[in-house]
Amino acid sequence: QSALTQPASVSGSPGQSITISCTGSNSDIGAYNYVSWYQHHPGKAPKVMIYDVSDRPSGISDRFSGSKSGNTASLTISGLQAEDEAHYYCSSYASGSTLVFGGGTKLTVL
Amino acid sequence: QVQLQESGPGLVKPPETLSLTCTVSGDSIGPYYWSWIRQSPGKGLEWIGYISYRGITNYNPSLKSRVTMSVDTSKNQFSLNLNFVTAADTAVYYCARGADDIPMDVWGKGITVSVSS
Repeated sequence: QSALTQPASVSGSPGQSITISCTGSNSDIGAYNYVSWYQHHPGKAPKVMIYDVSDRPSGISDRFSGSKSGNTASLTISGLQAEDEAHYYCSSYASGSTLVFGGGTKLTVL
Repeated sequence: QVQLQESGPGLVKPPETLSLTCTVSGDSIGPYYWSWIRQSPGKGLEWIGYISYRGITNYNPSLKSRVTMSVDTSKNQFSLNLNFVTAADTAVYYCARGADDIPMDVWGKGITVSVSS
C-alpha cells in the first residue's frame, strides 16, 4: 500500500479539465512544500510535470498546474489532449528525510 | 541533453544480491544527487534511496538494511546493490537525477529485474 493515496483512474474528453488528487498526512504533504507530479507513458522514462507543489519545469505546458490544501495535493490538467493519456504519480518529501509516492492514477482521454 | 541508462542482470536468484548500474551521459555526475526508484508489478513507485556525487547516501528506511549505493565519478556511473532478494523485489528499476527534496528531472527508461530460482 502506497503512502500517498491517489484515485486509480480518471477520465475526460478532449478540451475538458480534470483534477487528480493525492492525499497524504501531516508528516508529508501537510508538512512540506516538496510535492512533485510525474507523467509516465508505459515503456518510457517518467517525466516531472510539477515540482514544489505548483512550479512547472521549463518546457512543460501551462495546461498543467498544481496546488495543495492541508494534506492533499492536486494536479489539474486543462484543455485535455490525447497525448495527456498516461499514468500520473505524486510524490512528497516526508519526515525522516524520505520520499513517498502515490499509487498512481491512469488518465484516459475519451 | 542528459541521458540515463540502467544496466544489469534481468534475473536474480533468491537470496542473492541484485546489482544495477546507471550510466550518465551528456553531463557530469557532479554536483548532483542520484536516486533509484522501483515499480513492482501492479503497484506504484517506491523510492529506494539516493547517493550524491560525493558519496553521501540516504536510503528508504524500509529497505535500508539491504541497500548499498556507490558512485564512480571517473566512469560517470552510480550503482545499486540490494541484498538477500526475494520475489517481492521483482520490479522495474529506474535511476533518476534528484533526491528526497529535489525533483527528479531526468529518468532512465527502467530495467526489469525478476527474482526467481
